[in-house]
Amino acid sequence: EAQVTQNPRYLITVTGKKLTVTCSQNMNHEYMSWYRQDPGLGLRQIYYSMNVEVTDKGDVPEGYKVSRKEKRNFPLILESPSPNQTSLYFCASSTLGTGTYEQYFGPGTRLTVT
Amino acid sequence: DAKTTQPPSMDCAEGRAANLPCNHSTISGNEYVYWYRQIHSQGPQYIIHGLKNNETNEMASLIITEDRKSSTLILPHATLRDTAVYYCIPGGATNKLIFGTGTLLAVQP
Repeated sequence: EAQVTQNPRYLITVTGKKLTVTCSQNMNHEYMSWYRQDPGLGLRQIYYSMNVEVTDKGDVPEGYKVSRKEKRNFPLILESPSPNQTSLYFCASSTLGTGTYEQYFGPGTRLTVT
Repeated sequence: DAKTTQPPSMDCAEGRAANLPCNHSTISGNEYVYWYRQIHSQGPQYIIHGLKNNETNEMASLIITEDRKSSTLILPHATLRDTAVYYCIPGGATNKLIFGTGTLLAVQP
């Protein structure tokens, strides 16, 4: 089954404690990205990657890091989480192309930073 | 990036067709119109997309006006499981999706 998986699904942590949210896809997609969703602000892109070792900032990259060492994995790293990073996070993947793709989203990770 | 206007909410009776409008008057000539939906905090789900012609798949139909300034997503027989926020998203030049506020469709029994 084609899918994007995220772990953990729920996480409560404290300010400053480094954490990683994993994302994996089994569709051999080149493109992967991370979004956060906040009430009243909708879904906003954090980082994206167009292939292995190719990553770039989205609209709200501050406080986040990513890496793409393997095609299937795209972890999101919060090196020093702060309460304003409390949010619902989604990973997505798709083929790379113009106009004829659909993006697959993971189930989401709900992060609370106290 | 093209701007979109969607009604914030709509109701539909179960079993009836749901017609969700979207205005995208600033869409550029090479931009597609994508529709996604999000069921209560789940990951967004792709529904359908089109460029100029009307499109239909197993989930929905997409009607795009001839001037491409607006479109309508049609769920032919809405069920309770179709209750979700529906997003109309112009795009295609890059893989980036820009989500607006969407339309909350409430399907009533």
